[in-house]
Amino acid sequence: DAGVIQSPRHEVTEMGQEVTLRCKPISGHNSLFWYRQTMMRGLELLIYFNNNVPIDDSGMPEDRFSAKMPNASFSTLKIQPSEPRDSAVYFCASSSTGSGNTIYFGEGSWLTVV
Amino acid sequence: RKEVEQDPGPFNVPEGATVAFNCTYSNSASQSFFWYRQDCRKEPKLLMSVYSSGNEDGRFTAQLNRASQYISLLIRDSKLSDSATYLCVVTYSSASKIIFGSGTRLSIRP
Repeated sequence: DAGVIQSPRHEVTEMGQEVTLRCKPISGHNSLFWYRQTMMRGLELLIYFNNNVPIDDSGMPEDRFSAKMPNASFSTLKIQPSEPRDSAVYFCASSSTGSGNTIYFGEGSWLTVV
Repeated sequence: RKEVEQDPGPFNVPEGATVAFNCTYSNSASQSFFWYRQDCRKEPKLLMSVYSSGNEDGRFTAQLNRASQYISLLIRDSKLSDSATYLCVVTYSSASKIIFGSGTRLSIRP
């Protein structure tokens, strides 16, 4: 079975550029999460969708960050404009009540903003 | 105080040793508990769920103490391949709130 699929795996971009990260959750999962991980701050929840609806976006750092989930099989996390402090690994994860709320992570998108 | 707290370590133990670490949580309404493992430059992966009665999976034993609000992970006969960061996860009311601890680093030396 395919797991959570993220793209791009690695991105290096210049400060001020727009960054779009993509995620395809596991088929049948109704919850989707975007996390950010850095050495300093650990794993932080940015936003959580349930049935394609954003439920909790309190972790989104600021207006430069936005996330969408237009359908059950696709989500994007956009940073515009990007800044060097946005450099981190961004994980997408999905879960369902059928999986006992176990969260399955994608391999992450490694973002470097220079 | 953080909602979920872990000793960051690192725990540095010899191969074959038994090692244990705890994770404390502050909200008594917590419902589900898990241990995840994260290898360097990889995504977190589920290691095991933690059940109220405690549960074992091979060399790994997880326990929950609701009265004192902590979960624990015990690793027996540790292997070099057990070197990783171990994250505890606490959830409340289905999947609406999921909190990850900051992780405990474990390093097994030959």
